[in-house]
Amino acid sequence: DQQVKQNSPSLSVQEGRISILNCDYTNSMFDYFLWYKKYPAEGPTFLISISSIKDKNEDGRFTVFLNKSAKHLSLHIVPSQPGDSAVYFCAANPYGGSQGNLIFGKGTKLSVKP
Amino acid sequence: NAGVTQTPKFRVLKTGQSMTLLCAQDMNHEYMYWYRQDPGMGLRLIHYSVGEGTTAKGEVPDGYNVSRLKKQNFLLGLESAAPSQTSVYFCASILTGGGTEAFFGQGTRLTVV
Repeated sequence: DQQVKQNSPSLSVQEGRISILNCDYTNSMFDYFLWYKKYPAEGPTFLISISSIKDKNEDGRFTVFLNKSAKHLSLHIVPSQPGDSAVYFCAANPYGGSQGNLIFGKGTKLSVKP
Repeated sequence: NAGVTQTPKFRVLKTGQSMTLLCAQDMNHEYMYWYRQDPGMGLRLIHYSVGEGTTAKGEVPDGYNVSRLKKQNFLLGLESAAPSQTSVYFCASILTGGGTEAFFGQGTRLTVV
């Protein structure tokens, strides 16, 4: 059973608008969450993270929101740019950081149209 | 700035053949991981290592073996390749646990025919 779920396989937005990528998790013991971005034929690259003691983390155009009661997090990209077109993976750390293992969602493919 | 390097980048194997994928990192990271990515499946953990000489099973370890003889290298072996092991394999490393950022290699595309 999936512990980290990204229910939208794809998302298409217009350049300049907001992109909102969603992620749900089932294990209340998860305490650290990360977003990775992946271009074709490349490895995933770290984008932004959030600890469970926070409900928001912002880095430039990227903001991650965490709602612990709903076991839900979202990544907001504002404004969206064509270069943001990629697959975005949500990941959770299930061991309080002791092992560093990351459990990934299936990814959401974002397409930003000029 | 090599980071995490995977060798080879591409490989085609026949069913039953064996091979070893090499992952090398130059960041002095303690933890290393092997993931596989399949269409619609995201990234699934195969094996991992929390330090030189240690390995542990991940979510999908069957059919694979690993070794971490040197801190900078993490090898993934397929003893008898099967078509179900056709996938893209990613190696990653982390300085330590604690939710820190993982650095990924560029991937190895393996096809088993």
